[in-house]
Parts: sequence; C-alpha cells; structure tokens
Amino acid sequence: NAGVTQTPKFQVLKTGQSMTLQCAQDMNHNSMYWYRQDPGMGLRLIYYSASEGTTDKGEVPNGYNVSRLNKREFSLRLESAAPSQTSVYFCASRAGTGEVRAFFGQGTRLTVV
Amino acid sequence: GEDVEQSLFLSVREGDSSVINCTYTDSSSTYLYWYKQEPGAGLQLLTYIFSNMDMKQDQRLTVLLNKKDKHLSLRIADTQTGDSAIYFCAETPLERNTPLVFGKGTRLSVIA
Repeated sequence: NAGVTQTPKFQVLKTGQSMTLQCAQDMNHNSMYWYRQDPGMGLRLIYYSASEGTTDKGEVPNGYNVSRLNKREFSLRLESAAPSQTSVYFCASRAGTGEVRAFFGQGTRLTVV
Repeated sequence: GEDVEQSLFLSVREGDSSVINCTYTDSSSTYLYWYKQEPGAGLQLLTYIFSNMDMKQDQRLTVLLNKKDKHLSLRIADTQTGDSAIYFCAETPLERNTPLVFGKGTRLSVIA
C-alpha cells in the first residue's frame, strides 16, 4: 500500500541548476499539494491541484512550476535553483469527495549550494 | 486568510500528560487536524475533528475544540519517549479541495 511516493529522497544541486521533484499517489485522490518545510516556519503551500487539469498558486510559488501530469502524478520543477530553495519538500494528496484526510509523502530533502 | 498558531516547544516527563494547543482564525465550518512528524520522516495523521464537534477521543489521544474561542488542543495521556516529535495543527474549510493550512508546529520533548 504505497500511498504517496516522492522521488528523489535527497538531492544536492548547484545554484542555477534545474530539477523536477516527482510525486505519485495510488489512492485515486483528486487533489494534490506541494509544501515546503523550513525550520521554525512550519509547512508552507507552494502550489496545489484541486483536480486533474487545474493548478493554483499557494503562499510561496515564486521560483517553482508544477505539472499535474494525470490524476496520479503532480511534479514540482525548479528552473534555476537558488540557495533559498534549500528545504524539505512534501507532496500530499486528498480525495476531495467525502474523505477529508490528507496523506503525505516522506519528503525530498533538497540542498542548493 | 486562514492563520493557525501554536506554541513552538513543550517539555514533559515520561508518564505525564501532554497538552498541545492551537488557535485558528477561519470562521467558517472547518476540519481541524493533528499531524505528527518524527525526525527525518513525513507527516503522519493522528486525528481530525469537524468544527461541529466538541471532543474526540482515540486511545491515548483526546482532542478538545472550543469553537467560540477557535481553540484546539491535543492531549496525550501517559506520554512516552516515543511521543517525542513535532506536532502540527492544521485546518481547512469545508470546501472539499481547499489546501490545509498548517501551524508552525510544536516540538514535544519527553524526558525519561
């Protein structure tokens, strides 16, 4: 029972490099979310997708793009990484119909040097 | 917009009860959640409550909601060292696909 799977688990980037964080869920959920976690800041919403085919900005979208590839997959792209994007990134999903719980992946720990 | 506030630290002795507090600002009907994060791990949903409820109990966990004061608490009875973690309060309005808004988390340290 995989739930929400994120890849990679760890990544080190040089400033200016690009990368895509992958997220997939196998629970047939409609909504998917990307959060970042920084010490003392809690979780802040970067982007979300309320349903397949839609995406919306969250609290801290600058420097990121997202793609809702299909119902299962929601990727987060850093086009030109900056040290300020060093963080732990979490993907989450939620059914959106009847089921109110949100489930999280194990996180991607990204360091930009 | 919504805002969720928590105290950052709590220290308790093993065997005592822990009470973690949270306040929120959303005035609409809402779901309120407690998540636990152990070091290096993701977020694990502990429990949740709908805003028309006053209390929910699940084994050692008791959630109390004061809707008038927009105050939520999580009580952990007989706290164990394995309860040491960061606890996040979160809320989302009744609309089904709206993202969860999180507090900054309370770091619970259990002293043996």
